[in-house]
Amino acid sequence: AQSVTQPDIHITVSEGASLELRCNYSYGATPYLFWYVQSPGQGLQLLLKYFSGDTLVQGIKGFEAEFKRSQSSFNLRKPSVHWSDAAEYFCAVGGNDYKLSFGAGTTVTVRA
Amino acid sequence: SQTIHQWPATLVQPVGSPLSLECTVEGTSNPNLYWYRQAAGRGLQLLFYSVGIGQISSEVPQNLSASRPQDRQFILSSKKLLLSDSGFYLCAWDRGPYGYTFGSGTRLTVV
Repeated sequence: AQSVTQPDIHITVSEGASLELRCNYSYGATPYLFWYVQSPGQGLQLLLKYFSGDTLVQGIKGFEAEFKRSQSSFNLRKPSVHWSDAAEYFCAVGGNDYKLSFGAGTTVTVRA
Repeated sequence: SQTIHQWPATLVQPVGSPLSLECTVEGTSNPNLYWYRQAAGRGLQLLFYSVGIGQISSEVPQNLSASRPQDRQFILSSKKLLLSDSGFYLCAWDRGPYGYTFGSGTRLTVV
């Protein structure tokens, strides 16, 4: 069965500082990997996805993520965070049936 | 265009009352549809998914049910709400390799 672990429940970062959110997955074959962002009271928005090819993927809002098969990880990064990046972030893994499993989420707080 | 609609946005219901949340998609046919719930401080819990009209799979036993009366309509229901049914409910549409597209969610408070 597939699963996702997001080790950090809450991260606080200063505006302008870099951000890295960790994601580890468990899946028996080559996974499809996704990062979603959720602002308070809203639905989830897709930030980026990985299917195959280049292991460094670029997404919206200046985010990027790197797939590392040897570490079963798909960490999300942003070089310089903005106050508007305060939100909850979810990592998800899927397979050929595209049914996704989500991590528990990481809440990001941005301080001025 | 392809869109997903979910309503209502917020709902306050007394314990023991019925529930009906609706989700519809536009611009596609035969979509895979999902209902998720987020309790406060917790991740996404998959409640139901449907691959077609009348086809419902339940992931967890609970006080809720789901129906797929039309190809692009997915309904979440309850005959009698419990306090523990409070949460944020999300409908999602599976777009295959493009991931899921989520509705804007329904905040349900059972009082």
